[in-house]
This record gives sequence, C-alpha cells and structure tokens, in this order.
Amino acid sequence: KAGVTQTPRYLIKTRGQQVTLSCSPISGHRSVSWYQQTPGQGLQFLFEYFSETQRNKGNFPGRFSGRQFSNSRSEMNVSTLELGDSALYLCASSPQPPHGTQYFGPGTRLLVL
Amino acid sequence: GDSVTQMEGPVTLSEEAFLTINCTYTATGYPSLFWYVQYPGEGLQLLLKATKADDKGSNKGFEATYRKETTSFHLEKGSVQVSDSAVYFCALTSEYGNKLVFGAGTILRVKS
Repeated sequence: KAGVTQTPRYLIKTRGQQVTLSCSPISGHRSVSWYQQTPGQGLQFLFEYFSETQRNKGNFPGRFSGRQFSNSRSEMNVSTLELGDSALYLCASSPQPPHGTQYFGPGTRLLVL
Repeated sequence: GDSVTQMEGPVTLSEEAFLTINCTYTATGYPSLFWYVQYPGEGLQLLLKATKADDKGSNKGFEATYRKETTSFHLEKGSVQVSDSAVYFCALTSEYGNKLVFGAGTILRVKS
C-alpha cells in the first residue's frame, strides 16, 4: 500500500501571502490529522477530519483552516502568513477514529520570508 | 490536560550499547501510548505502540512496556546501531479521541 503523500514537499512564501497544503491518506483510511512541527514548540496538533467533518481542533488562530474531500484527501490553508508559521507541516492518516493508529507523511516544509 | 514528558537529549552512545529513553505521561482514563522516530529530513515513523496496561510494544529490537502504576512507557534497545541515530518521540492518544500529544523528542546519536 502506498503511504501518506503530501504536496508540495517544500514551499517558500512571503509574509501576508496564503498557502494551501495537500495530503492524500493511505488507501482506505478515512481520518486525516494535521500537525505543526517547529524547533521551539515541538509537535502540535492542528485539526482532525473524518468523513469531511472536522472532529477536533487544536489551539491555533483562525488563519489556519482545513477541509476534507469525499475521497478522504485533505487540504490545509494558512492565510496571512507570519514569519512564525515557518514549520514542517505533517499530515497523518488512520483508518477511523477514535483509536486508529496514525501514520505520517513526509511533511511539507514551509518557509515564510 | 494530557501531557508527555521525555528525558532531554541528546543521548550519545557507542555502537552496541544499551539504550533507555524515559517517557512519563499524564492523562485521564486509559490512553494509548506510542513511540515514533524521525530521521533527518523525514516525517514520523511509527516505531511501536501499546494500547492497555502491561502491554509490551516491540519492533526492530526496540521495546516499551505500558506501566500504568508509574505512568511510564520507557523505550529500550539492547544493542544500538549507528543507523538508529534519529529523534525519538513518545506520544499518547486519549481513550476519547485521535489527537496525538507528543513529548519534546529525544535526539539519539550513536557513534561507531
């Protein structure tokens, strides 16, 4: 089975711009979660989607949003980028909440200048 | 809220040495516990997991036992290799949801 794929792998943006990141889960997995990884804050949960509905949301400002499509693919969007949004954004998929083990993609590295 | 505390690194060992990375957690109810590993420039790989007390997770020579009485899930390996050099994250999910709560990560460096 193919693993979780994320596109793009690298991205450079400037402050004030917006960005959309994409995640394709493992085939048959219906739950997708997003995490932000930074040297200062570590790994932090952004949100989780299941059956096109947001099930859970972390403590991030409203500039961070996401959605899930009927084929379980997910996108996250960050509007009005700030320098502090520079991070590795990781997507994880699992068969179905609440107890599915999560498998991670390679991440999208975002640099905001 | 739920939290995970890992021993600070970096941990530097010689090849074939014994490895222990301590992990303790705070959570209500009965969380599931995980160890993930991250190699440079990559995402997280699931190393092992345990879903109930006294369960032992194991994979690639690594082991960890879910100890509810001490709220711990320490990672061990009997003989490390240079290829084990990576960052190791202890994590939990509560019994109520799928959100992973991570420890800060422990850098492991293995010298030949």
